[in-house]
Amino acid sequence: EPEVTQTPSHQVTQMGQEVILRCVPISNHLYFYWYRQILGQKVEFLVSFYNNEISEKSEIFDDQFSVERPDGSNFTLKIRSTKLEDSAMYFCASTLFRDNYGYTFGSGTRLTVV
Amino acid sequence: AQRVTQPEKLLSVFKGAPVELKCNYSYSGSPELFWYVQYSRQRLQLLLRHISRESIKGFTADLNKGETSFHLKKPFAQEEDSAMYYCALKGSGGSNYKLTFGKGTLLTVNP
Repeated sequence: EPEVTQTPSHQVTQMGQEVILRCVPISNHLYFYWYRQILGQKVEFLVSFYNNEISEKSEIFDDQFSVERPDGSNFTLKIRSTKLEDSAMYFCASTLFRDNYGYTFGSGTRLTVV
Repeated sequence: AQRVTQPEKLLSVFKGAPVELKCNYSYSGSPELFWYVQYSRQRLQLLLRHISRESIKGFTADLNKGETSFHLKKPFAQEEDSAMYYCALKGSGGSNYKLTFGKGTLLTVNP
């Protein structure tokens, strides 16, 4: 069964540093998403991406965040200057259709900002 | 606004007992409801979609628009059902295609 792949599985970074989280969605999927889960809290929507542009973003997704699909297979989330409160599990997801279709999630990247 | 409420943070049952994980939602339009499961330290996996009215691993869920609920049920729980269960809602139309998750219910099935 096709999978969404995320790398790295765990990243530790110093506050103020830039991080790039990488995702390889399922190859024929068209819609891509990032979610995050702070420890002990619920899964929260960050951003959706379709046709090489952001289609929706949450209030969490401020100017420190950006997404890119640089080469038609990878889908990256960049945090420009990390803060302690960015520590969380970040999940990438993709789907073929927006309606009547579930999302396939990756296994997540645990980001720890120290 | 989209909101999903899972009132139970923890639910513990014995093997063979029935289990019901509650989910209530708030959405002004016509929602799509999902149940996702997360086994220990693994990815979120789609368990059920209301639109398909299927039964996966013995679990079923019925959308009740009158009560705005989408409770997950299984008549006889198994130990391997122990996991975190998330109810999620997806709106439709405009920019409402994001998934909104509940806080999750940790199900423990004891031997």
